[in-house]
Amino acid sequence: SAVISQKPSRDICQRGTSLTIQCQVDSQVTMMFWYRQQPGQSLTLIATANQGSEATYESGFVIDKFPISRPNLTFSTLTVSNMSPEDSSIYLCSSSIGTGNTEAFFGQGTRLTVV
Amino acid sequence: AQTVTQSQPEMSVQEAETVTLSCTYDTSENNYYLFWYKQPPSRQMILVIRQEAYKQQNATENRFSVNFQKAAKSFSLKISDSQLGDTAMYFCAFMIYNAGNMLTFGGGTRLMVKP
Repeated sequence: SAVISQKPSRDICQRGTSLTIQCQVDSQVTMMFWYRQQPGQSLTLIATANQGSEATYESGFVIDKFPISRPNLTFSTLTVSNMSPEDSSIYLCSSSIGTGNTEAFFGQGTRLTVV
Repeated sequence: AQTVTQSQPEMSVQEAETVTLSCTYDTSENNYYLFWYKQPPSRQMILVIRQEAYKQQNATENRFSVNFQKAAKSFSLKISDSQLGDTAMYFCAFMIYNAGNMLTFGGGTRLMVKP
């Protein structure tokens, strides 16, 4: 199994500012995933982050709004830029250990409120 | 693209009773995995059960079992002897085999276990 430490757990931010969310994995992992969970909704994949390459974004999400870093095999950050109230959501990071291991592990989530 | 549908936004069950949560999916893939995840109020995503599409036998994990109907693209979760701690959001999820471990989630079912 793997443990993913995500922080901050929650934050209240002013519109127009940016927030960086960090995820630290206790094992080396190839891929990390960032999801958004809007209030009362399901999880939607924002992007996939591989170490040493640009993140791959899903339709509807762009790098300028959600820049991602993946400096090594245990760490990733997601920045929510130029925030508006519509960005108020829970953001979760996820990963799996090893090729063919299908169990995904999740961070504890970041509850973001933009005012 | 894959889609996952959970037709029951909310359900309730009496403690010690049995409840079944529904999930259907659509895909053109033949090799894939299906999952049920639980998200309690703590926001932590917890894997409940996993099913490999190539296996005909339904997966079971203690009080949790699935009814996997591949031809019908149906994947329901049965919770036996429901406990108060089972109260949570339940998400059905889909993963393509050997394609990077990213998950596609259904809309979720909020389960309330009543004493």
